[in-house]
Parts: sequence; C-alpha cells; structure tokens
Amino acid sequence: DIVMTQSPDSLAVSLGERATINCKSSQSLFYSSNNKNYLAWYQQKPGQPPKVVIYWASTRESGVPDRFSGSGSGTDFTLTISSLQAEDVAVYYCQQYYGTPYTFGQGTKLEIK
Amino acid sequence: EVQLLESGGGLVQPGGSLRLSCAASGFSFTTYATSWVRQAPGKGLEWVSAISGGNTYYADSVKGRFAISRDDSKNTVYLQLNSLRAEDTAVYYCAKGHIGAVWWVDPWGQGTLVTVSS
Repeated sequence: DIVMTQSPDSLAVSLGERATINCKSSQSLFYSSNNKNYLAWYQQKPGQPPKVVIYWASTRESGVPDRFSGSGSGTDFTLTISSLQAEDVAVYYCQQYYGTPYTFGQGTKLEIK
Repeated sequence: EVQLLESGGGLVQPGGSLRLSCAASGFSFTTYATSWVRQAPGKGLEWVSAISGGNTYYADSVKGRFAISRDDSKNTVYLQLNSLRAEDTAVYYCAKGHIGAVWWVDPWGQGTLVTVSS
C-alpha cells in the first residue's frame, strides 16, 4: 500500500499570512503516460463532509478561491493557501488515487494564530 | 444538482451485520464510480471500498467482510458490512467518482454513523 504522510499535524497561521501543508508518498504518484500526478487535496470543516480543493496535484476545483494552490510531483507535494482567511480553518487531507487502496494522509489541522 | 444520501447506520453488536445505502440524485451510478470512505470519531479519513463499472475494490482492513454493490434501477450503491468489529465504528461517507475510474471523489454525502458495541 502507498503510505501518505503529511506535515505538520497542526498549523496556526495569522490571518492574511501564508499557510503551507506538505504531503509525502511512499512511492511516486506520477504516471508518465499522461504526465499526471495522481494526488488530491480535501478540506474538511467541523461537522461537514470533506470537499475536494485540488486534484491532479495542482488543478483547482471549480469554485475554490485562487488563494489555494497545489504543487509538487513524484513523491512530494504541497498545498499552499496564499493569504489565510477565517473560513479556511479546517482539516486538510491529501489522498493518492494512483492505486488501490486509495490512501489518505493523516490530516493537518489548520487554525488561526 | 448532484446529491448523495447515505442511510442504514446504527448500533450493532460485534459480529453483527448492517447494510448501508447511498442514494444518488442528479447523476447515474451506472456511469460513475463510487467510493465509501469512513471516519472514526475524532480521527482521519480511511478509504474503504469503491465500485467502478463491474470492478470492486477494498481496503485490506475490510476485505472479506464488506461487500460493495450497485442497483442501477434504484440509482443506489450499497455497502454490506459483516463480521463487524469495534474498530469499524465510524461515520461512513459515500462519494462520487468519475466515468470509468474512481480517482478523486466529490461531492460527498453527509454520512451515516455505524457504532459497533455490546
């Protein structure tokens, strides 16, 4: 199974500042035949189901603010929120869909400092 | 609008069984893949199972105990949970995948709580 490891486990950032969450996979998620990384990022707010914010490692889901961006390739990925807003407080998960089981990272709790 | 609604959760004794349902509106399960993901109380997300076309997939932790299926006439996906253990206690979410592949999933339903306890 592909193991997904996120860092840090929790993060406190001031409003308007940058938040960066890292995700590392135990094997490459890059598929050379289509030049894509099989990685998604999800946001889960308290009491709500998750929603996808980024897929193919760097494609922003429709309706997601452009302060959210994804980067990385192979085994190392990053979710960046360029200017933290109060509504961004949530737990963020990365997930690989390169192969089953489609494993998630353990989650990163993002709070306001 | 695409919506998913889970049902069937509840309290069950260890070793018991439950069948969860995920009813869809706004799209056809016949065409799209579907995943079940669970979340134990206060914990992270765990992918459980998926169905895509005629193919089914399972996490090692549930293989041989859980079974995913689909009823196209009802536009519903099911997850049969057998030989339940305390560690299966969680909110179970279903979520919509893509045509011909699971990939990332969205949207998700609101979830149904399964509690395994004597």
